[in-house]
Amino acid sequence: NAGVTQTPKFQVLKTGQSMTLQCAQDMNHNSMYWYRQDPGMGLRLIYYSASEGTTDKGEVPNGYNVSRLNKREFSLRLESAAPSQTSVYFCASSDVRGNTEAFFGQGTRLTVV
Amino acid sequence: GENVEQHPSTLSVQEGDSAVIKCTYSDSASNYFPWYKQELGKRPQLIIDIRSNVGEKKDQRIAVTLNKTAKHFSLHITETQPEDSAVYFCAAPTGGGNKLTFGTGTQLKVEL
Repeated sequence: NAGVTQTPKFQVLKTGQSMTLQCAQDMNHNSMYWYRQDPGMGLRLIYYSASEGTTDKGEVPNGYNVSRLNKREFSLRLESAAPSQTSVYFCASSDVRGNTEAFFGQGTRLTVV
Repeated sequence: GENVEQHPSTLSVQEGDSAVIKCTYSDSASNYFPWYKQELGKRPQLIIDIRSNVGEKKDQRIAVTLNKTAKHFSLHITETQPEDSAVYFCAAPTGGGNKLTFGTGTQLKVEL
C-alpha cells in the first residue's frame, strides 16, 4: 500500500502566485488533515476534514483553502502565496477522526520568494 | 482552550541514560494520547499510544504514562541509543475529537 501520497515534494513560488498541494490516501480513512511545520512551532493544523463532505478550519487557516474531493483526496490551495507561507506541509489521514493513529505523507517543502 | 503543551523543547542525554518528555492537555474530553517520532527530513511516525482507560503502556524500551486527573502524559525512553535521536511529538484529540492537536516537539539528542 502507498499509504498517504503528497505532491509535489518541493516547490518554489513567487509572492502572489497560486498553487494546489495534492494529497491522496488509499487506506479508506475517514479523516484527513493538512499541517504546516515550522522550526520550533511543531505541527500546526491548517484545515481538516473529519469525514467526507466536511471541512473545518484548524489553528492557522488564513491564506489557505481546501477541498475534500472524495474520500481519498484532500487538496490544499494557496491563492496568493506569501513569504510567511514558506514551510513544510504535511498531509495526514486517520480512520476515526483524532482518536486513531494518523498516517503522514512525505511532506512538501514550499519556499515563497 | 485546546492546547497541548510539551516540555522540554530540547533534551540531551548520554547513551544508555533514560529520557523523559512531558505533555499537558486542556481538553478534558481527550481520550487518546499518541507519541510520534520524526527523524531528520522524514515524516512523523507513531511510536506508541495510550487510551484513557489505562495508566501506562510499554513497548520494549519505550513507555507512556497517563494521569487523567492532572491532564498530563509522558514518554519514557530507557537505555537510549544514538538512533533514538529525533524530534518527538505528543498529540491529543481536540474539537470534540474531530482533530488531532500536536505539541511543539522535543529535539532529543543521544550523545555517545
